[in-house]
Formats: sequence, structure tokens, C-alpha cells
Amino acid sequence: DMKVTQMPRYLIKRMGENVLLECGQDMSHETMYWYRQDPGLGLQLIYISYDVDSNSEGDIPKGYRVSRKKREHFSLILDSAKTNQTSVYFCASSRDWGAYEQYFGPGTRLTVL
Amino acid sequence: GEQVEQLPSILRVQEGSSASINCTYENSASNYFPWYKQEPGENPKLIIDIRSNMERKQTQGLIVLLDKKAKRFSLHITDTQPGDSAMYFCAASSNTNKVVFGTGTRLQVLP
Repeated sequence: DMKVTQMPRYLIKRMGENVLLECGQDMSHETMYWYRQDPGLGLQLIYISYDVDSNSEGDIPKGYRVSRKKREHFSLILDSAKTNQTSVYFCASSRDWGAYEQYFGPGTRLTVL
Repeated sequence: GEQVEQLPSILRVQEGSSASINCTYENSASNYFPWYKQEPGENPKLIIDIRSNMERKQTQGLIVLLDKKAKRFSLHITDTQPGDSAMYFCAASSNTNKVVFGTGTRLQVLP
């Protein structure tokens, strides 16, 4: 059963705190993504990872960093979270980074107070 | 950066009628055009896709059309039902460029 998991599903943090969002996939996909989704703005790409330790900035990388030490895990880190980082974060994976279907995780709703 | 324009942003249709969503893209090298459906509180899921070697694809009440010359593609939902109410995202990508999503269309099927 092809699956992308995300932890935690809901998170409340205070401004200035560090945030770690975790993503896992069981499909041995090379490519993984982090998006944030805000009303009216669709899915904005934060980072893309082509494989272990091969990460690239997306369209809105400022304020975020990522880590991929195993093919099946991809982490999103917010060092010193800001209130404007309140959003729903989706992780996704695909067989390759070009013309292939993306499988999305269930999302993490992050609130930064 | 590269953009995919998606219109309309909100679409209200009567149950049983058809709904159409249109997208245009910039990169002429794009050759893969997926459509994702996102129900409230859920994640986006692929519902249909088309590659550049086709002009039309149909599956289970969904039709996608691709006009490569105009760099335009569209999703048509026939005989809409309440379960079709959701956000829909188009996207474009190629073997050499990462996927770019449209900004989404909120479809409301009215009883």
C-alpha cells in the first residue's frame, strides 16, 4: 500500500521556537517535496529533494531548511518560527522529479502564536 | 519564475450540469499535465493526467483536453454530483523541469 506519512498532524508553537516536521514514504521514491498551502495561494513549493543529501530550494525557502539522511525520510525544520509560518504543510513524493504523479501526505497544520 | 495560470478560482454549478476548469502554462517543454482533487481537510490526490502525446483523455466522467500550440489544457467534469465539490489543482511539468501547480479552483456543486 503506497503511503506518505506526516508527523505531527497538528502543532502549536510560540514565535521563536524551533519546529520539526517529519515525513516518511514507503515507495522508495527518489524525489520528495515540502509544500505549504495557504488560502488562495495554492501549493507553494518550499524545498525539493532529489535523493539523500541532494536538496534544492523551491519557490519560498526563506525561513526553512530540510534534511534527508535516508531515502524514506524527509524533514522540514523551522529555526525560530514566525507567526507568518502558520499554515498547512504537505509533504509529497514521486518516482522521479519530472513527469510523474506526486503522492501527498495527510498534512500538518502548524500554528505559530 | 514559471507559472501555471488556473481559472476560474471559484466555480459554482448546478448538480447534473458540467464544470470546466482551464489552465495555461509557459514552458513549451512541459509534457505532463496532472489534475489533483483536494477535498476539505484532506490531501491532494491525482484524479487524471495527460501527457503531451495525447490531445484528449477520458475516465469516469472526467475529460482532459490539451492544446499544445496554445499551451492550454482543461478539465471537464460531466454530470456533476455533490461529491465533486472540492478544490482542483492543475499542474505542468516535464522530464527536465519540476512540477508547477496552478492556484486552484474551488468547485461547488449546488443541489
